[in-house]
Amino acid sequence: DAGITQSPRYKITETGRQVTLMCHQTWSHSYMFWYRQDLGHGLRLIYYSAAADITDKGEVPDGYVVSRSKTENFPLTLESATRSQTSVYFCASKTAFLPLGEQYFGPGTRLTVT
Amino acid sequence: ILNVEQSPQSLHVQEGDSTNFTCSFPSSNFYALHWYRWETAKSPEALFVMTLNGDEKKKGRISATLNTKEGYSYLYIKGSQPEDSATYLCAALSYNTDKLIFGTGTRLQVFP
Repeated sequence: DAGITQSPRYKITETGRQVTLMCHQTWSHSYMFWYRQDLGHGLRLIYYSAAADITDKGEVPDGYVVSRSKTENFPLTLESATRSQTSVYFCASKTAFLPLGEQYFGPGTRLTVT
Repeated sequence: ILNVEQSPQSLHVQEGDSTNFTCSFPSSNFYALHWYRWETAKSPEALFVMTLNGDEKKKGRISATLNTKEGYSYLYIKGSQPEDSATYLCAALSYNTDKLIFGTGTRLQVFP
């Protein structure tokens, strides 16, 4: 299917476990982003990537790791999950041809850390 | 890092009322301002991207204006309908960065 997808859509994990959230887009957009959504904070940028093999930190990168070996995929890994990482995670992408252009968001992954 | 603020946090209006809300951002190094509409249980969707001072954009009953010198943007909804109920997010982009900084949103509920 065309567009931007995220998996899983819902995940419950235990404190200390490693968990990976997947993001896949079919538009060949250069840029991809990971945000978390928390009450009172809106969307906060965790990491982003301008192209394959190029990643950079956002506002709240601690406790997260990303990679971008292929343009279409941008997985987000929580190395040792903590309760404070319970959140809804959104992946987004945008084309490099419109640097001011809008971002396209995936459906979100609701992660609960117990 | 930009600090983007939106007001009010939430708004309840009757169907047919017109409404507006504000997004404030630092005017220095400003590059672009985005507005997104975010319905419950869905993903944010872009409404407008604005760059120039005095810019005004319109999509149906929704319009937005931009003042880059004083650092604010207004979003207007004319004749609100229940389907306009959503959270409206603004986000600012500054020069030499690829990072959008989002405000916390204005949650609009339109009652029939």
